[in-house]
Amino acid sequence: AQSVTQLGSHVSVSEGALVLLRCNYSSSVPPYLFWYVQYPNQGLQLLLKYTTGATLVKGINGFEAEFKKSETSFHLTKPSAHMSDAAEYFCAVSDRGYSTLTFGKGTMLLVSP
Amino acid sequence: DADVTQTPRNRITKTGKRIMLECSQTKGHDRMYWYRQDPGLGLRLIYYSFDVKDINKGEISDGYSVSRQAQAKFSLSLESAIPNQTALYFCATRDTDSPTAEQFFGPGTRLTVL
Repeated sequence: AQSVTQLGSHVSVSEGALVLLRCNYSSSVPPYLFWYVQYPNQGLQLLLKYTTGATLVKGINGFEAEFKKSETSFHLTKPSAHMSDAAEYFCAVSDRGYSTLTFGKGTMLLVSP
Repeated sequence: DADVTQTPRNRITKTGKRIMLECSQTKGHDRMYWYRQDPGLGLRLIYYSFDVKDINKGEISDGYSVSRQAQAKFSLSLESAIPNQTALYFCATRDTDSPTAEQFFGPGTRLTVL
């Protein structure tokens, strides 16, 4: 069975600092990986996804993630945090044969001035 | 107008009551999903539907039922609500069977069972 683990339920950074949100996956085959963001009182929206090909994936709002098969990781980064990045972030995995997603437990990103 | 809408947005009910949460979409997608979100647990899949005749149980379907009335409508019912069903419920849609396709989420329904 596939699963994802997000390290850290809360991450705090200062405005302008590097953002690093960690995600590790477990899958018997190379998976498809996603990062979704949930702003307060809103539904989830897609930030970026890895399917095949280039392992460094760029998404919206300056975020990017790198797929590392040897480390079974798909960490999300942003060079410089903005106050508007404060939200909850979810890593998700989709097995190649299915049309469902398995989500991690989420990481709340807090950005201080 | 929003592509995926959920009604109601907030609902408070009592233990034992029957309640229905509704989801409508204008995206023309065949695939629709119901999730619940609990603090610290992320999103968990309750039911999903690939078309009006295809309903599938997800990870946590006990205590819930669904109805796909049309391509655009997918309802979630709690036949006899209990307090541990207090959660934020999301509907989502997807346009293809490809596992790489994005899911589009509604704004959520916050349900409180007293």
